[in-house]
Amino acid sequence: AQSVTQLDSQVPVFEEAPVELRCNYSSSVSVYLFWYVQYPNQGLQLLLKYLSGSTLVESINGFEAEFNKSQTSFHLRKPSVHISDTAEYFCAVRPPHNTDKLIFGTGTRLQVFP
Amino acid sequence: GAGVSQTPSNKVTEKGKYVELRCDPISGHTALYWYRQSLGQGPEFLIYFQGTGAADDSGLPNDRFFAVRPEGSVSTLKIQRTERGDSAVYLCASSLGPQGETQYFGPGTRLLVL
Repeated sequence: AQSVTQLDSQVPVFEEAPVELRCNYSSSVSVYLFWYVQYPNQGLQLLLKYLSGSTLVESINGFEAEFNKSQTSFHLRKPSVHISDTAEYFCAVRPPHNTDKLIFGTGTRLQVFP
Repeated sequence: GAGVSQTPSNKVTEKGKYVELRCDPISGHTALYWYRQSLGQGPEFLIYFQGTGAADDSGLPNDRFFAVRPEGSVSTLKIQRTERGDSAVYLCASSLGPQGETQYFGPGTRLLVL
Protein backbone atom coordinates (compact mmCIF):
# COMPACT_ATOMS: atom_id res chain seq x y z
CA ALA A 1 0.00 0.00 0.00
CA GLN A 2 1.09 3.53 -0.69
CA SER A 3 1.60 6.20 1.95
CA VAL A 4 2.81 9.79 1.96
CA THR A 5 4.77 11.60 4.65
CA GLN A 6 5.01 15.36 4.92
CA LEU A 7 7.29 15.85 7.87
CA ASP A 8 6.80 19.59 8.23
CA SER A 9 3.34 20.59 9.40
CA GLN A 10 4.22 24.29 9.25
CA VAL A 11 6.91 26.23 7.41
CA PRO A 12 7.26 29.93 8.25
CA VAL A 13 9.39 31.97 5.86
CA PHE A 14 9.99 35.61 4.98
CA GLU A 15 8.98 37.00 1.63
CA GLU A 16 11.57 36.54 -1.15
CA ALA A 17 13.32 33.74 0.75
CA PRO A 18 13.66 30.25 -0.76
CA VAL A 19 11.53 27.42 0.54
CA GLU A 20 11.43 23.62 0.36
CA LEU A 21 8.42 21.55 1.38
CA ARG A 22 9.33 17.93 1.89
CA CYS A 23 7.40 14.91 0.68
CA ASN A 24 8.39 11.28 0.97
CA TYR A 25 6.32 8.35 -0.18
CA SER A 26 6.36 4.61 0.22
CA SER A 27 5.19 2.28 -2.49
CA SER A 28 6.08 -1.12 -3.85
CA VAL A 29 5.07 -0.02 -7.34
CA SER A 30 5.73 3.01 -9.47
CA VAL A 31 3.46 5.94 -8.78
CA TYR A 32 2.24 9.23 -10.14
CA LEU A 33 3.09 12.13 -7.83
CA PHE A 34 1.17 15.34 -7.28
CA TRP A 35 1.32 18.56 -5.33
CA TYR A 36 -1.98 20.28 -4.61
CA VAL A 37 -2.38 23.73 -3.02
CA GLN A 38 -5.28 24.94 -0.91
CA TYR A 39 -5.48 28.71 -0.50
CA PRO A 40 -7.47 30.08 2.46
CA ASN A 41 -11.19 29.43 2.00
CA GLN A 42 -10.67 27.81 -1.40
CA GLY A 43 -10.68 24.28 -2.79
CA LEU A 44 -7.73 22.10 -3.71
CA GLN A 45 -5.93 23.11 -6.88
CA LEU A 46 -3.38 21.07 -8.77
CA LEU A 47 0.03 22.76 -8.57
CA LEU A 48 2.16 20.27 -10.51
CA LYS A 49 2.49 16.58 -11.24
CA TYR A 50 5.02 13.94 -12.18
CA LEU A 51 3.83 11.15 -14.44
CA SER A 52 6.94 10.09 -16.33
CA GLY A 53 9.89 11.51 -18.23
CA SER A 54 11.90 14.40 -16.84
CA THR A 55 12.22 14.13 -13.09
CA LEU A 56 12.01 17.92 -12.67
CA VAL A 57 8.54 19.40 -13.11
CA GLU A 58 7.53 23.04 -12.86
CA SER A 59 4.39 25.02 -12.20
CA ILE A 60 3.37 28.27 -13.84
CA ASN A 61 3.91 30.29 -10.64
CA GLY A 62 7.56 29.41 -10.03
CA PHE A 63 7.32 26.22 -7.98
CA GLU A 64 9.21 23.11 -9.00
CA ALA A 65 9.47 19.56 -7.69
CA GLU A 66 11.95 16.82 -8.39
CA PHE A 67 11.14 13.14 -8.39
CA ASN A 68 13.92 11.18 -6.71
CA LYS A 69 13.28 7.48 -7.06
CA SER A 70 16.20 6.32 -4.93
CA GLN A 71 15.09 8.52 -2.03
CA THR A 72 11.36 8.10 -2.75
CA SER A 73 10.94 11.83 -2.47
CA PHE A 74 9.10 14.57 -4.35
CA HIS A 75 10.11 17.78 -2.56
CA LEU A 76 8.56 21.08 -3.61
CA ARG A 77 10.78 24.14 -3.96
CA LYS A 78 10.54 27.80 -4.83
CA PRO A 79 13.59 30.09 -4.98
CA SER A 80 11.72 33.23 -3.88
CA VAL A 81 8.30 33.14 -2.22
CA HIS A 82 5.57 35.78 -2.23
CA ILE A 83 2.99 36.68 0.38
CA SER A 84 0.40 35.20 -1.96
CA ASP A 85 2.03 31.77 -1.68
CA THR A 86 0.64 31.47 1.85
CA ALA A 87 -1.46 28.31 1.72
CA GLU A 88 -1.68 24.63 2.66
CA TYR A 89 0.28 22.31 0.38
CA PHE A 90 -0.56 18.64 -0.02
CA CYS A 91 1.57 15.94 -1.61
CA ALA A 92 -0.28 12.95 -3.08
CA VAL A 93 0.46 9.68 -4.87
CA ARG A 94 -1.49 7.35 -7.11
CA PRO A 95 -0.54 4.19 -8.99
CA PRO A 96 -0.40 4.74 -12.77
CA HIS A 97 -2.48 2.94 -15.36
CA ASN A 98 -5.44 2.98 -13.05
CA THR A 99 -7.86 5.76 -12.28
CA ASP A 100 -7.83 5.23 -8.57
CA LYS A 101 -7.79 7.12 -5.35
CA LEU A 102 -5.18 9.66 -4.41
CA ILE A 103 -3.30 9.07 -1.17
CA PHE A 104 -2.57 12.41 0.48
CA GLY A 105 -0.07 13.52 3.05
CA THR A 106 -1.20 15.51 6.07
CA GLY A 107 -0.23 18.80 4.48
CA THR A 108 2.29 21.58 5.11
CA ARG A 109 1.14 25.05 6.03
CA LEU A 110 3.37 27.60 4.30
CA GLN A 111 3.18 30.99 6.01
CA VAL A 112 4.99 33.82 4.22
CA PHE A 113 5.74 36.91 6.29
CA PRO A 114 6.53 40.38 4.93
CA GLY B 1 -15.41 25.73 -18.69
CA ALA B 2 -17.20 25.10 -15.43
CA GLY B 3 -15.34 23.25 -12.73
CA VAL B 4 -16.61 20.77 -10.17
CA SER B 5 -19.42 22.23 -8.11
CA GLN B 6 -20.73 21.08 -4.74
CA THR B 7 -23.84 21.99 -2.84
CA PRO B 8 -24.48 23.08 -0.21
CA SER B 9 -21.26 24.88 0.65
CA ASN B 10 -22.09 24.59 4.33
CA LYS B 11 -24.42 22.26 6.19
CA VAL B 12 -25.24 22.31 9.88
CA THR B 13 -27.28 19.44 11.25
CA GLU B 14 -28.09 17.77 14.52
CA LYS B 15 -26.76 14.43 15.68
CA GLY B 16 -28.91 11.62 14.36
CA LYS B 17 -30.20 13.47 11.31
CA TYR B 18 -29.85 12.46 7.66
CA VAL B 19 -27.90 14.60 5.17
CA GLU B 20 -27.29 14.60 1.44
CA LEU B 21 -24.34 16.27 -0.23
CA ARG B 22 -24.35 16.87 -3.97
CA CYS B 23 -21.54 16.95 -6.52
CA ASP B 24 -21.66 18.11 -10.12
CA PRO B 25 -18.52 16.95 -11.95
CA ILE B 26 -16.88 18.58 -14.93
CA SER B 27 -18.85 17.81 -18.07
CA GLY B 28 -17.51 14.73 -19.84
CA HIS B 29 -15.63 13.39 -16.83
CA THR B 30 -16.59 9.78 -16.27
CA ALA B 31 -14.66 9.27 -13.03
CA LEU B 32 -15.91 10.82 -9.80
CA TYR B 33 -14.41 10.65 -6.32
CA TRP B 34 -15.49 11.58 -2.82
CA TYR B 35 -12.96 12.46 -0.13
CA ARG B 36 -13.30 13.63 3.46
CA GLN B 37 -10.96 16.19 5.00
CA SER B 38 -10.92 16.52 8.76
CA LEU B 39 -9.37 19.51 10.46
CA GLY B 40 -5.59 19.48 10.16
CA GLN B 41 -5.54 16.42 7.92
CA GLY B 42 -5.17 15.67 4.26
CA PRO B 43 -8.14 14.44 2.25
CA GLU B 44 -9.04 10.79 2.79
CA PHE B 45 -10.62 8.71 0.06
CA LEU B 46 -14.20 7.57 0.50
CA ILE B 47 -15.54 6.22 -2.81
CA TYR B 48 -14.82 6.23 -6.54
CA PHE B 49 -17.32 5.96 -9.39
CA GLN B 50 -16.54 5.03 -12.96
CA GLY B 51 -19.70 5.91 -14.81
CA THR B 52 -22.73 4.89 -12.77
CA GLY B 53 -21.08 2.16 -10.74
CA ALA B 54 -19.00 2.38 -7.59
CA ALA B 55 -15.66 0.93 -8.64
CA ASP B 56 -14.11 1.28 -5.20
CA ASP B 57 -16.00 2.04 -1.98
CA SER B 58 -13.30 0.82 0.37
CA GLY B 59 -12.97 4.21 2.04
CA LEU B 60 -16.54 4.48 3.31
CA PRO B 61 -16.17 4.35 7.11
CA ASN B 62 -19.33 2.38 7.86
CA ASP B 63 -22.78 1.53 6.53
CA ARG B 64 -24.18 4.95 7.50
CA PHE B 65 -22.41 6.33 4.45
CA PHE B 66 -23.72 5.70 0.96
CA ALA B 67 -23.24 7.35 -2.41
CA VAL B 68 -25.02 7.14 -5.74
CA ARG B 69 -24.46 8.34 -9.29
CA PRO B 70 -27.55 7.10 -11.12
CA GLU B 71 -26.96 8.73 -14.51
CA GLY B 72 -23.21 8.80 -14.52
CA SER B 73 -22.96 12.53 -13.90
CA VAL B 74 -24.22 14.11 -10.65
CA SER B 75 -23.43 12.21 -7.47
CA THR B 76 -24.99 12.37 -4.02
CA LEU B 77 -23.25 11.34 -0.82
CA LYS B 78 -25.75 10.31 1.82
CA ILE B 79 -25.05 10.09 5.53
CA GLN B 80 -27.59 8.50 7.86
CA ARG B 81 -27.83 8.99 11.62
CA THR B 82 -25.08 11.60 11.60
CA GLU B 83 -22.58 11.68 14.44
CA ARG B 84 -20.41 14.53 15.69
CA GLY B 85 -17.39 12.70 14.33
CA ASP B 86 -18.78 13.06 10.81
CA SER B 87 -18.04 16.79 10.95
CA ALA B 88 -15.54 17.52 8.19
CA VAL B 89 -15.20 19.02 4.74
CA TYR B 90 -16.47 16.62 2.09
CA LEU B 91 -14.66 17.01 -1.21
CA CYS B 92 -15.68 15.82 -4.62
CA ALA B 93 -13.29 15.42 -7.54
CA SER B 94 -13.63 14.29 -11.13
CA SER B 95 -11.30 13.14 -13.87
CA LEU B 96 -11.58 12.16 -17.52
CA GLY B 97 -11.70 8.48 -16.62
CA PRO B 98 -9.31 5.63 -17.31
CA GLN B 99 -7.12 7.95 -19.36
CA GLY B 100 -7.33 10.86 -16.95
CA GLU B 101 -4.38 11.34 -14.63
CA THR B 102 -5.50 14.52 -12.92
CA GLN B 103 -8.35 14.83 -10.44
CA TYR B 104 -10.05 18.23 -10.30
CA PHE B 105 -11.57 19.14 -6.97
CA GLY B 106 -14.67 21.05 -6.05
CA PRO B 107 -14.78 23.65 -3.26
CA GLY B 108 -16.17 21.15 -0.77
CA THR B 109 -19.13 20.98 1.59
CA ARG B 110 -18.38 21.85 5.19
CA LEU B 111 -20.54 19.62 7.38
CA LEU B 112 -21.01 20.40 11.05
CA VAL B 113 -22.90 17.94 13.22
CA LEU B 114 -24.03 19.44 16.51
